[in-house]
Amino acid sequence: GAVVSQHPSRVICKSGTSVKIECRSLDFQATTMFWYRQFPKQSLMLMATSNEGSKATYEQGVEKDKFLINHASLTLSTLTVTSAHPEDSSFYICSGKTGGYEQYFGPGTRLTVT
Amino acid sequence: EDQVTQSPEALRLQEGESSSLNCSYTVSGLRGLFWYRQDPGKGPEFLFTLYSAGEEKEKERLKATLTKKESFLHITAPKPEDSATYLCAVQAVGRNSGNTPLVFGKGTRLSVIA
Repeated sequence: GAVVSQHPSRVICKSGTSVKIECRSLDFQATTMFWYRQFPKQSLMLMATSNEGSKATYEQGVEKDKFLINHASLTLSTLTVTSAHPEDSSFYICSGKTGGYEQYFGPGTRLTVT
Repeated sequence: EDQVTQSPEALRLQEGESSSLNCSYTVSGLRGLFWYRQDPGKGPEFLFTLYSAGEEKEKERLKATLTKKESFLHITAPKPEDSATYLCAVQAVGRNSGNTPLVFGKGTRLSVIA
């Protein structure tokens, strides 16, 4: 199956700082990548859809100025959490879509804001 | 509004004790129903896609089936390594081909005891 990597796997940052998370499709080109957030014992909630070379589409309630998404190439999308606060602590997961309908997910990034 | 409800929330089985997980859904028009496995602290791992009622897919001890209102994930003679959270998601037919968001259920946490 298609492989997606994320970096870092865990990050701890202080309140008010910014954190960048990278999502890479390793063995396929992903014209579309998705960013999700998952709280403990909850399901995945879509934050935004990222298309290569164009602006991301954000879901209702997700602040685009706080969660900056850049999909600069067919294999790389980045999510930057700006001015992070403790309530932003969560598990962030990206996925990439191949030519079909399936989405393949990365291993996730655990963000803790202190 | 598209919705996915999974039951039970948690399931504890003895090794070898077969059972089924349920995913009930409502969607304006189904493009596909997806099953994923998620281990703690990891991203979801793709298992199956089902597109139309009556379709079945199998992989090792798992078999997924689909009707117009629900999907079942049957697990035959489970082993402890099958312990994980199983997520169901649907994708609706939309104007943007293939890019309508996945709507996830909350998952079923399966524990298989040796």
